[in-house]
Amino acid sequence: GDSVTQMEGPVTLSEEAFLTINCTYTATGYPSLFWYVQYPGEGLQLLLKATKADDKGSNKGFEATYRKETTSFHLEKGSVQVSDSAVYFCALRLNNQGGKLIFGQGTELSVKP
Amino acid sequence: EAGVTQSPTHLIKTRGQQVTLRCSPISGHTSVYWYQQALGLGLQFLLWYDEGEERNRGNFPPRFSGRQFPNYSSELNVNALELEDSALYLCASSPSQGQSTDTQYFGPGTRLTVL
Repeated sequence: GDSVTQMEGPVTLSEEAFLTINCTYTATGYPSLFWYVQYPGEGLQLLLKATKADDKGSNKGFEATYRKETTSFHLEKGSVQVSDSAVYFCALRLNNQGGKLIFGQGTELSVKP
Repeated sequence: EAGVTQSPTHLIKTRGQQVTLRCSPISGHTSVYWYQQALGLGLQFLLWYDEGEERNRGNFPPRFSGRQFPNYSSELNVNALELEDSALYLCASSPSQGQSTDTQYFGPGTRLTVL
């Protein structure tokens, strides 16, 4: 079935380090792909999205490129800040799957000063 | 522009009771989605409403139900509460027209604790 797999967390980085969170997907069609972020005690915030192959989504210094050939949508940021500490969720949505988002298990990021 | 709002913020119930959670979508959005985020189980899709109709439901028992009102707000009802229903319940909305119909915007959630 359709699914999303993220790298295991927690990920601990020092401030200004480079961040990569891996995300791969399995889908029967051509999904839209999303990254959401969840800060402690809060709901999900949309971070970025891409709707077709080779699209790059970007926001707040974060980037992810829709790679159809490797079925991946890895999240990257060149220089993380303490305020980036949160749980990051990769998700996909297929038009023929009744509207639902299918989420990965989430990756917790902790950035130390 | 106001985001998705949910009420209440927190709720404590006992086993066997019933609960109603409420959600108001972003103005202009006609679709509302409900998800459950239980510890160790990740985010699970519960229900999708659009234009007042239930369009899809996830793999949950019938005691999870809901509805959408003419103003597009929505309620999630859970009957005969069980301990494992303890979770954060997230509501999301999306527009039915335009370029962002595939994008869901989430509310802050309702934290339900069942004792």
